[in-house]
Amino acid sequence: QVQLQQWGAGLLKPSETLSLTCAVYGGSFSDHYWSWVRQPPGKGLEWIGEINHRGTTKYNPSLKSRVTISVDTSKNQFSLSLTPVSAADAALYFCAGYVGGWKGVDCWGQGTLVTVSS
Amino acid sequence: DIVMTQSPLSLPVTPGEPASISCRSSQSLLHNNGHNYLDWYLQKPGQSPQLLIYLGSNRASGVPDRFSGSGSGTDFTLKISRVEAADVGVYYCMQALQIPYSFGQGTKLEVK
Repeated sequence: QVQLQQWGAGLLKPSETLSLTCAVYGGSFSDHYWSWVRQPPGKGLEWIGEINHRGTTKYNPSLKSRVTISVDTSKNQFSLSLTPVSAADAALYFCAGYVGGWKGVDCWGQGTLVTVSS
Repeated sequence: DIVMTQSPLSLPVTPGEPASISCRSSQSLLHNNGHNYLDWYLQKPGQSPQLLIYLGSNRASGVPDRFSGSGSGTDFTLKISRVEAADVGVYYCMQALQIPYSFGQGTKLEVK
């Protein structure tokens, strides 16, 4: 059973950098694609991007110019960087994972609320 | 980008009664491998989303058989045969055929 634990700064000022990290426990790190999904307050879900254990990334074109997803296979962790942030980036951010050979997004982190305010 | 549209957006249901949620995609989600890349997720209040159905009709591990998914191409349906109080939350469909993966707006199920 794969479990995800995420952390990072929850309060940012406009133009700063959002940084979140997700640690993976259990399961096979290399069998999964690791992703980030966000949810603005009271709204729906938006897929941000994904990375595999080799470091191959795919991003949502709407965020591509500001997003970097990276992986540290030695620690079974992956990270999200978004810069610069604005009020529109305020959201609940989830890390998540899915296996190759699609079987759905079968593991989710607990979520990190990010607020952007001057 | 593929746009996902759900209906209804709000669904009040009496416990024990069935419920049905529709999801339509702006492009066919049928891959040439024969699978429809459409999932269903439930986000219970204050929780992370959880997987219910993947590839259109496959129940995820531990999901009660009260939940079923059907459809192909651009039209999909999630059915709950008998709603329970524990089913309250927001249901999302998601397409995984094409990057960027995208979600429907969500359907809020409430128990009367």
